[in-house]
Amino acid sequence: AQTVTQSQPEMSVQEAETVTLSCTYDTSESNYYLFWYKQPPSRQMILVIRQEAYKQQNATENRFSVNFQKAAKSFSLKISDSQLGDTAMYFCAFINNDMRFGAGTRLTVKP
Amino acid sequence: KAGVTQTPRYLIKTRGQQVTLSCSPISGHRSVSWYQQTPGQGLQFLFEYFSETQRNKGNFPGRFSGRQFSNSRSEMNVSTLELGDSALYLCASSPSGTPRAEAFFGQGTRLTVV
Repeated sequence: AQTVTQSQPEMSVQEAETVTLSCTYDTSESNYYLFWYKQPPSRQMILVIRQEAYKQQNATENRFSVNFQKAAKSFSLKISDSQLGDTAMYFCAFINNDMRFGAGTRLTVKP
Repeated sequence: KAGVTQTPRYLIKTRGQQVTLSCSPISGHRSVSWYQQTPGQGLQFLFEYFSETQRNKGNFPGRFSGRQFSNSRSEMNVSTLELGDSALYLCASSPSGTPRAEAFFGQGTRLTVV
C-alpha cells in the first residue's frame, strides 16, 4: 500500500525566515508524482509545487522549493522568506493510480 | 477560466437520508476525483471518473457512489447517511487523461449529518 507520512503536525516560523516541512512516502512504484498542496482557512486546496519522480532536479516555484530524495523516499518542502499569507495547512500528496495525502502540517507564520 | 465549482457549499442532513453533491470541473478537464476530509482520517480518496467511467475507487462502502456526465460534470451520492459521514467533500479535476497530472480543487461541500 502507498502511504504518505508527515511527521510534523504543527510548525511555526517568524515572518521572513525559512522553514522546512517534512514528508516521506512508501511505494513500490518507480514512476509517480509528488505534490505539496496548501489549504488556508478558506479550505481551498492550492497547488504549491509538483515533482515528477523521474526528474532528479528538485522543483522550485519562487519562494518554494523541494528536496526530493527518491532513494530515501523523502520529499520536503522549503519555504523561504516566509510571509503571513503562507499560514495554512500543508499537505504532501503522492499520485500513481490515485492520490494519497499525508495528515498535514499546520504552519503558522508569526509577525 | 472558471475554477472547479462544487454545490452546495453547505448541507445538513439527518441520519438515514441520502445526499447528492455536485462538481463542475474546469472547462476541458475530463478527470474528476472525489475526496473526503475529516479531522480524524484526513484526506481520503473516494473515486475518480474519466470520460463517464469510474477509473479508480478508494476504500469506502457501497453507500458512496458517483457518476460522471458527458459534459464531465460529476455527482457523488451517499445513501443511508451516518453520523460519521460528516465531512468536507472535495472534488478535483485534472486536465489530462491520467490521474498523474496536477489536480485542481473546488472549495468543497461541508456535509453535516445530525
